[in-house]
Amino acid sequence: AQSVTQLGSHVSVSEGALVLLRCNYSSSVPPYLFWYVQYPNQGLQLLLKYTTGATLVKGINGFEAEFKKSETSFHLTKPSAHMSDAAEYFCAVSGLRGQGAQKLVFGQGTRLTINP
Amino acid sequence: GAGVSQSPSNKVTEKGKDVELRCDPISGHTALYWYRQSLGQGLEFLIYFQGNSAPDKSGLPSDRFSAERTGGSVSTLTIQRTQQEDSAVYLCASSRSGGRSNEQFFGPGTRLTVL
Repeated sequence: AQSVTQLGSHVSVSEGALVLLRCNYSSSVPPYLFWYVQYPNQGLQLLLKYTTGATLVKGINGFEAEFKKSETSFHLTKPSAHMSDAAEYFCAVSGLRGQGAQKLVFGQGTRLTINP
Repeated sequence: GAGVSQSPSNKVTEKGKDVELRCDPISGHTALYWYRQSLGQGLEFLIYFQGNSAPDKSGLPSDRFSAERTGGSVSTLTIQRTQQEDSAVYLCASSRSGGRSNEQFFGPGTRLTVL
């Protein structure tokens, strides 16, 4: 079965500091991995995804993530935090091939707070 | 263009009543998903529709939950005899097709409170 673990339910950084949100996954097939962001009272918005090819993927709003198969990780980073980055972030893995492949399995989420 | 829309945005109901939640996917998207977001369980998959294929209902938590998709577009999630543990935000998403790599576009959700 697929699963996702996000280390740290809350992360707080200062404005301008590095943002690092951790995600580890478990998958019995080559994974497709996603990071979504959720602003208050809104739905989820895709930040970036990894399917195949280059392991460093760049997304919107200056975020990027690196797929490391050996570490089963897909950590999200941003070099310099902005106040507008305050939100909840979800890492997700797609299901297995065939039936169920399209459903997303989410981590528990990490709430990011930016301190002025 | 317009994104995924859901209605109502908030629903308060009494235990034991039935509720219907509506989702309008992005025009042209053949795949539609329902997820539930709750404090205790996080984000959980409920059900998936793809074109005219039989839906994947593997995530529905009980037989009180059902969903349909009419004409390959609008979907309704129905919860019968609601219980307090059904309180959650119900999110709908759609994608161009049902492939593993396709981006799912999410609606704003319906917040359901069962008293």
